[in-house]
Amino acid sequence: GENVEQHPSTLSVQEGDSAVIKCTYSDSASNYFPWYKQELGKRPQLIIDIRSNVGEKKDQRIAVTLNKTAKHFSLHITETQPEDSAVYFCAATHTGGFKTIFGAGTRLFVKA
Amino acid sequence: EAQVTQNPRYLITVTGKKLTVTCSQNMNHEYMSWYRQDPGLGLRQIYYSMNVEVTDKGDVPEGYKVSRKEKRNFPLILESPSPNQTSLYFCASSLSFSGGQTSTDTQYFGPGTRLTVL
Repeated sequence: GENVEQHPSTLSVQEGDSAVIKCTYSDSASNYFPWYKQELGKRPQLIIDIRSNVGEKKDQRIAVTLNKTAKHFSLHITETQPEDSAVYFCAATHTGGFKTIFGAGTRLFVKA
Repeated sequence: EAQVTQNPRYLITVTGKKLTVTCSQNMNHEYMSWYRQDPGLGLRQIYYSMNVEVTDKGDVPEGYKVSRKEKRNFPLILESPSPNQTSLYFCASSLSFSGGQTSTDTQYFGPGTRLTVL
């Protein structure tokens, strides 16, 4: 079945460093890839998304890249801050389908 | 205020005792969905609804039922809960579901319901 693999499961960085989280999807028809941030005890919230007709998208310190040929996409956070500490989920969905498949999540720790 | 609400937020129950978790949104969203979140497994979709009276199974529908009689409400029903349904449940909604064609796909999550089945 459809699957999204996410790595690493845990990531620890020093404040100011960059963090990269990678996801691979199995369904080649997938064409929409959102990223959610979930702080401890809170609900997931969309932080950025990318569609298949775009290779890269940036929003301030956050960027997402997509390689449709390889079927993987990545989240890049630059100049990390302690408030970036959270669990990040990638997801994939596709036109004609109504399901959203999430990765298992990456717990990011940003050390001050 | 635009929001998705869930009730109850916390529930401890016993095996076999039927329960309903309510979900309501005030944004006139067409698409609604239920997820369960378990450690190491991320968010897994249970059921979703494209509109009133239109529902379909997600990846883990066993042991759950849903209904969508009104646009704003999408209750999750556990007819005979079992301990393996102990989890954190999230309801989510989006304006529509275009499969990534438009920004209307952004899903807004409710605050979550932590369910424990003894």
